[in-house]
Amino acid sequence: DQQVKQNSPSLSVQEGRISILNCDYTNSMFDYFLWYKKYPAEGPTFLISISSIKDKNEDGRFTVFLNKSAKHLSLHIVPSQPGDSAVYFCAASAEGGSEKLVFGKGTKLTVNP
Amino acid sequence: DVKVTQSSRYLVKRTGEKVFLECVQDMDHENMFWYRQDPGLGLRLIYFSYDVKMKEKGDIPEGYSVSREKKERFSLILESASTNQTSMYLCASSSGDRYTEAFFGQGTRLTVV
Repeated sequence: DQQVKQNSPSLSVQEGRISILNCDYTNSMFDYFLWYKKYPAEGPTFLISISSIKDKNEDGRFTVFLNKSAKHLSLHIVPSQPGDSAVYFCAASAEGGSEKLVFGKGTKLTVNP
Repeated sequence: DVKVTQSSRYLVKRTGEKVFLECVQDMDHENMFWYRQDPGLGLRLIYFSYDVKMKEKGDIPEGYSVSREKKERFSLILESASTNQTSMYLCASSSGDRYTEAFFGQGTRLTVV
């Protein structure tokens, strides 16, 4: 059973507009959430994270929002740039989970010039 | 900068061969992980280790084993490679701190023929 779900396999946006990537989770023990970005033939790179005591975390063009009651988080990229085109993975870890990360299936973002 | 280095970028092996994938990290991290990434399936955890000589099964350990004799090195072993183990293999490490990210290597694209 998938504990972290990214229901949109792909997303296409225009350069300069906002990209919104969504993630849902089922395990109420998850208390730390991360977003990773992955280019083809490379390892994932960490983008931004949020702990469950917060509902928003911002880093430059990237903002992550957490809605604990809905078990939902989203990544906003504003403004989107062609270099943001990559696969984005949502990940979560649980208290007492040995710091292992559970990943979603990813969303492929394409930013068109 | 944290560095996680995987010994090979690309490998081609024959069915039935014993395959070793090596991973080294230079940040004195306690935790190390092996994931595989397949299209449409995201990143799935094979094994992880939270200390030297300690290991725990992830979600898909069948057909794999691991070895962690030194803190900086975590090896993934395919005892008898099969074609369904053709995949991108990703090693990661993280510190023992609860709310920190994991760092990934560049990945090994393994093809079993």
